Amino acid sequence: AQSVTQPDIHITVSEGASLELRCNYSYGATPYLFWYVQSPGQGLQLLLKYFSGDTLVQGIKGFEAEFKRSQSSFNLRKPSVHWSDAAEYFCAVAPYNTDKLIFGTGTRLQVFP
Amino acid sequence: DTEVTQTPKHLVMGMTNKKSLKCEQHMGHRAMYWYKQKAKKPPELMFVYSYEKLSINESVPSRFSPECPNSSLLNLHLHALQPEDSALYLCASSQGDTSNQPQHFGDGTRLSIL
Repeated sequence: AQSVTQPDIHITVSEGASLELRCNYSYGATPYLFWYVQSPGQGLQLLLKYFSGDTLVQGIKGFEAEFKRSQSSFNLRKPSVHWSDAAEYFCAVAPYNTDKLIFGTGTRLQVFP
Repeated sequence: DTEVTQTPKHLVMGMTNKKSLKCEQHMGHRAMYWYKQKAKKPPELMFVYSYEKLSINESVPSRFSPECPNSSLLNLHLHALQPEDSALYLCASSQGDTSNQPQHFGDGTRLSIL
């Protein structure tokens, strides 16, 4: 069965520090991969997506993610975190030829000044 | 600003009430979705409409009734809800029914059942 794992439930970083949020998926083929961010009281905003091609993808707000087929991973990175990045981050996969998004359990990011 | 608009933003209702949640998008998207999200959990898919036809119903109780009057509008009719139905209800849309099109989410309706 397809699944998405975000091993870190909660991460705390200092403002200006680098960030990496982990995401692993289980799927028979390469799925379509997404990262979403959710601020309190709001909906989900798409940060970036991977379909094919270059395995390093750039997104909005200075985020990037790297697809590693050998590790079934799609980790999200940012070189310098801002206080406004504090939010819940969801990795999601869309198996080929379905309408469904399979979400990970999310990682809550806290940023200290 | 989100391109998917949901109303109302907040709704409090009793277990015997009937209410509706509304969702609208003007991006020309042909697939629309309803999700339920409990606190500190990821969204759970409820329904999918593709080209105005219900294509996925994730075994949702009949007290939730979706409706897609046209390609821009999606409603969720609520009747005889239970306290455990209190949650954030998210609407999303995407260009079509292929999985490589990202879903765009609204800000949700916060529903509280008394």
